[in-house]
Amino acid sequence: AQSVAQPEDQVNVAEGNPLTVKCTYSVSGNPYLFWYVQYPNRGLQFLLKYITGDNLVKGSYGFEAEFNKSQTSFHLKKPSALVSDSALYFCAVRARYSSASKIIFGSGTRLSIRP
Amino acid sequence: SAVISQKPSRDICQRGTSLTIQCQVDSQVTMMFWYRQQPGQSLTLIATANQGSEATYESGFVIDKFPISRPNLTFSTLTVSNMSPEDSSIYLCSVVWGDEQYFGPGTRLTVT
Repeated sequence: AQSVAQPEDQVNVAEGNPLTVKCTYSVSGNPYLFWYVQYPNRGLQFLLKYITGDNLVKGSYGFEAEFNKSQTSFHLKKPSALVSDSALYFCAVRARYSSASKIIFGSGTRLSIRP
Repeated sequence: SAVISQKPSRDICQRGTSLTIQCQVDSQVTMMFWYRQQPGQSLTLIATANQGSEATYESGFVIDKFPISRPNLTFSTLTVSNMSPEDSSIYLCSVVWGDEQYFGPGTRLTVT
């Protein structure tokens, strides 16, 4: 069975500092990995994905994530945080064996950027 | 990409009643997924709906409580039956298109 873990409920970072939101996964075979962001009272927005190729994936709003197969991790990063990055972030995984297989979400990490 | 719309966007319902949520996709898709997001929580998959067959429900969700219809490749409905306050959530429709998964805007349900 596939699963995703986000070990931190909340991450607090000062504006301008680098940020990391952690994610580890468990799935049979090679995964599809995703990061989504949810702003208050708004829908789920896609940030980035890892399908294949370069382990460092760049996405929207200056975010990037690094796929580490040996550590089964897909941490989200940004070199310099903005107050507007404050939101709820979800890591998600989908098994590769079927394009129609379900996507499973982590518990979410609330990112708070202080001015 | 796939564009998904949901109706209604929000509703306030009394306990014991039922609400049917509609999901419309602008492309034909094989599978549609229904998720629930309770306040402050992550997204939990309710069921997977394949056109022309019975929906597949995840552990903890049953057809009597959440009946799903999938009459064609662009449309699905989820009914929340005999509602209680614990059903207050955002319900999201989702599809896989290519390598990406797209989500509808959600239906915010409040049960009083």
